Amino acid sequence: TQLLEQSPQFLSIQEGENLTVYCNSSSVFSSLQWYRQEPGEGPVLLVTVVTGGEVKKLKRLTFQFGDARKDSSLHITAAQPGDTGLYLCAGGSQGNLIFGKGTKLSVKP
Amino acid sequence: DAGITQSPRHKVTETGTPVTLRCHQTENHRYMYWYRQDPGHGLRLIHYSYGVKDTDKGEVSDGYSVSRSKTEDFLLTLESATSSQTSVYFCAISWDSRGTEAFFGQGTRLTVV
Repeated sequence: TQLLEQSPQFLSIQEGENLTVYCNSSSVFSSLQWYRQEPGEGPVLLVTVVTGGEVKKLKRLTFQFGDARKDSSLHITAAQPGDTGLYLCAGGSQGNLIFGKGTKLSVKP
Repeated sequence: DAGITQSPRHKVTETGTPVTLRCHQTENHRYMYWYRQDPGHGLRLIHYSYGVKDTDKGEVSDGYSVSRSKTEDFLLTLESATSSQTSVYFCAISWDSRGTEAFFGQGTRLTVV
């Protein structure tokens, strides 16, 4: 069974700080996705990383896929209260889509 | 927004009663998924479908069944609801399972009393 482990589980920081969250697996994934979920809503896709070593930037968010395609990271620069939410990584596995448990981020003004 | 709707949005039911949740899409996506989301467990896959009448089990399928008689509809049934099935249920759709975007419904909050 393929699993995606996310860390940390919770993160509370002040506005303006930088942070990195991680998504790790013992299995190789052909691609990994990052989603953000706000309370009462379904997850929404932020980015998909496909190539080992790939780095993608989305404004203040930087996503990296590990060279071995077993792990990924999300770095947020100068976090803002609007970044508050649950960040989930997901990967395709044998016909289905599995998710990590997520990192719950709280950015205080 | 992707055309995916879940119904009902909220439901309270009694232990032992059958419950059916509906997911309807207007995007003609091949894959449809049912997840449950619980504190400390994240999103766990219950069942998924890769075509009409083609379904398979996910991580937490016990106590649940699904049906997909049309491309646009994916039904999740709890044959005899238990309190452990109190959760928020999400339906999702995607073109395939290998890296294309999954679009989620807004969720159904189910409480079994």
